[in-house]
This record gives sequence, C-alpha cells and structure tokens, in this order.
Amino acid sequence: GENVEQHPSTLSVQEGDSAVIKCTYSDSASNYFPWYKQELGKRPQLIIDIRSNVGEKKDQRIAVTLNKTAKHFSLHITETQPEDSAVYFCAPDMRFGAGTRLTVKP
Amino acid sequence: DVKVTQSSRYLVKRTGEKVFLECVQDMDHENMFWYRQDPGLGLRLIYFSYDVKMKEKGDIPEGYSVSREKKERFSLILESASTNQTSMYLCASSLYTPRLVRTGELFFGEGSRLTVL
Repeated sequence: GENVEQHPSTLSVQEGDSAVIKCTYSDSASNYFPWYKQELGKRPQLIIDIRSNVGEKKDQRIAVTLNKTAKHFSLHITETQPEDSAVYFCAPDMRFGAGTRLTVKP
Repeated sequence: DVKVTQSSRYLVKRTGEKVFLECVQDMDHENMFWYRQDPGLGLRLIYFSYDVKMKEKGDIPEGYSVSREKKERFSLILESASTNQTSMYLCASSLYTPRLVRTGELFFGEGSRLTVL
C-alpha cells in the first residue's frame, strides 16, 4: 500500500515564527493531498487540501505546496499562535502519516 | 454540518469477545472508512466502503470485518477481540468523487476507545 512519511515528528516554535511540515508518499497515482489538524481529545479536521493539478494553495496563514515529481507536499503555517498547537497529519489519498506534534510557545 | 456518530465512546471487552462498533453518517455520503489510531503510528486504514454492500481492505484488515447494509451505516466487527486491538477507532465519511480523484475531505466521528482485557 501507500507509504507515507511525515517530518519532523515534533516541532516546537516561538509564537509568531513559521512552521513547516513535510510529507512524502510513494504512490505516484495519488492525486489528493490534504492536511488534518487534531487537537487534544478531538477528532481530526481538514485544514487545507490540494489537488494534483495545482502546485500551491493558500488560506490566510496556512499554505500547502505540492511537488508531484518528487512526491512530497508541505504544510506551511506563518505567524504561529498558541492555538495552532496540535498534531498535524498529512493524508494522501486516505493514507495518513504518523503525525507531527506542533507546540507554539507564547 | 456533516454529522458522523459513533455509537460507543468507551468500551471494555474481554479477550475472545465479539465486538461491534457502529458508525452512522447523516449527509448521504457514499464513502465510509474505519481507522485505528495509536500513539506514534497515526491513523491506519482498516477497511473502507464506496457503496452499500461493498467493502475493500485497507492496510491492516486482519482480525476485523465490516458490514455496510445501508448507505448511512458502516459497522466494524472484531470477531474475537485480542489485547493488541486495544485502540482508538475512528469512523469517517466522504462524498463520492469521480474515478480519477479517489477521495475528498474526510469527516470523522468522535472515536470509540476500545480496551480489551
């Protein structure tokens, strides 16, 4: 099946800094690339997604970039805030990475 | 708002028991999924279904089976529970998407935490 790897597994940043999480996948047929956020004790929720015919998508402080040739896509969060602290998952075509725990220190 | 409801939030079962986890969605979604979530492993796909009475194995189907008799309901069955099936189980649904795009946004239930003693 699909092999999905996410890096880093933990990330700690100061409030206001940027955070970048990278996801690599193995299935060249993948064509849907979402990022989910899971706060403690809650269900995962979609925060941004991108389809394979687009290289970048931005939604306020959050952006996703896709490099289909290299089979990786990244989540970018700018001007981080304490409420961004959560676990983030990439999930190319319904297969999830192991998650990245982001901590934003005030 | 999409609502995905899992019938049990917490269950405690004994080794060898048969366990049913029920999931119902109210948005007429064609696709439904069962995942298990374990620390450090993310969410692992157990089974999914694109239509009524249709099922496909995910990455870790061993020890599990599923049933989709109605569009809105997707059940996960542990025929004989074992201690290594202690986990958080998450159900999800999504809209059908065209053949070339295999899935879209997943909407999750709140999860069922199963402990097998």
